[in-house]
Amino acid sequence: IQMTQSPASLSASLGETITIECRASEDIYSNLAWYQQKPGNSPHLLIYDGSKLADGVPSRFSGSGSGTQHSLKINSLQSEDVASYFCQQYNIYNTFGAGTKLELK
Amino acid sequence: EVQLVESGGGLVQPGRSMKLSCAASGFTFNNYDMAWVCQAPKKGLEWVATISYDGSTTYYRDSVKGRFTISRDNAKSTLYLQMDSLRSEDTATYYCARYLYYFDYWGQGVMVTVSS
Repeated sequence: IQMTQSPASLSASLGETITIECRASEDIYSNLAWYQQKPGNSPHLLIYDGSKLADGVPSRFSGSGSGTQHSLKINSLQSEDVASYFCQQYNIYNTFGAGTKLELK
Repeated sequence: EVQLVESGGGLVQPGRSMKLSCAASGFTFNNYDMAWVCQAPKKGLEWVATISYDGSTTYYRDSVKGRFTISRDNAKSTLYLQMDSLRSEDTATYYCARYLYYFDYWGQGVMVTVSS
């Protein structure tokens, strides 16, 4: 299964709401996770099963979608949200999206 | 607190072997499937291999089948990745991760550089 993630990079202002999309090449139901990776660090789980927030993740992060179209939304962008974000499908084996690099404007 | 600590990386020549280890603590290791995920420099994430909680079932991405072997020692709470016939394209940071179909905890990663 191929995962097409967009945009590849994104520049946004503090307090802004941003959305990152992942499109699967076939139906993955809600078998999708989102990860945040800050520079020099390992990835950190944000969302699993499409929309469930992982432990300790701020409520400004949310996931939605089903089938082939999924999205990650970050409300009220904070400086600590500067990172790369990856989606991962686990409906059949595991495939990651290419990532979205989020920067502050 | 869940901790995963990888070791064993470094520089290796093409065609040679290397074995990575991942020491787990803070959870009941033998209750969980585990996995290795890699990330080439400045690139995205790629799943490498997965092993079931008891070691009876393993899965590999196509590019490493027949060259890499994932294994575990539940008595030592340790995960392994034996990498044989290494290629330049295997150069990456390798992360061990706890696997629930998604990866809920990750180690800090260990760098493997395949170069002559």
